[in-house]
Amino acid sequence: EVQLVESGGVVVQPGGSLRLSCAASGFTFNDYTMHWVRQAPGKGLEWVSLINWDGSSTEYADSVKGRFTISRDNSKNSLYLQMNSVRTEDTAVYYCGKGQIGTTMGLFDYWGQGTLVTVSS
Amino acid sequence: DIVMTQSPDSLAVSLGERATVNCKSSQSVLYSSNKKNFLAWYQQKPGQPPKLLIYWASTREFGVPDRFSGSGSGTDFTLTISSLQAEDVAVYYCQQYHSTPWTFGQGTKVEIK
Repeated sequence: EVQLVESGGVVVQPGGSLRLSCAASGFTFNDYTMHWVRQAPGKGLEWVSLINWDGSSTEYADSVKGRFTISRDNSKNSLYLQMNSVRTEDTAVYYCGKGQIGTTMGLFDYWGQGTLVTVSS
Repeated sequence: DIVMTQSPDSLAVSLGERATVNCKSSQSVLYSSNKKNFLAWYQQKPGQPPKLLIYWASTREFGVPDRFSGSGSGTDFTLTISSLQAEDVAVYYCQQYHSTPWTFGQGTKVEIK
């Protein structure tokens, strides 16, 4: 059974930093592209970032480019999102999403339960 | 960026009746090389993450009931729930995976009348 478990969501001040983690199990993690998708309270879904199977290719939404960094550790079956210079508009539930094998295509067939990041002074 | 626009924003349907959600993309999500529409539908119930229902515009994900169907091509797509059940109350999102940034519609809330 595929499982994705996010952690690391906290209350952080504007301009601060935090790192989100996603622990994956139930599939061959190092074969798949992985994504982060976020959802502001009461709002819709916004794709944030992707990383390919070996970490050699990453992409970001314009809203986070230059501030967020996605990474992965295939030896630990883990995905990460380093969030720097956070803004109030980054407040959201952050979901880890499983992508597809052999492509960076943004089709998400499994999602974690999400972790809440609140940016507030 | 490809803008995805859903209609209506919400709808209320009687149990056992048909529910239809529309999705329009600002540019075609059809790849002419493989004739596939890079369009997915997700269901999100309160307090839960989204769940993939349909991909390639009309292929049901494994385990999704056959009362859910997707149709359309190019820029206009439809999600149909043929006979609404109580457990189908949710927000439904369309999403294009044709090109980055992957983008979602604003969501359509489906309720029981």
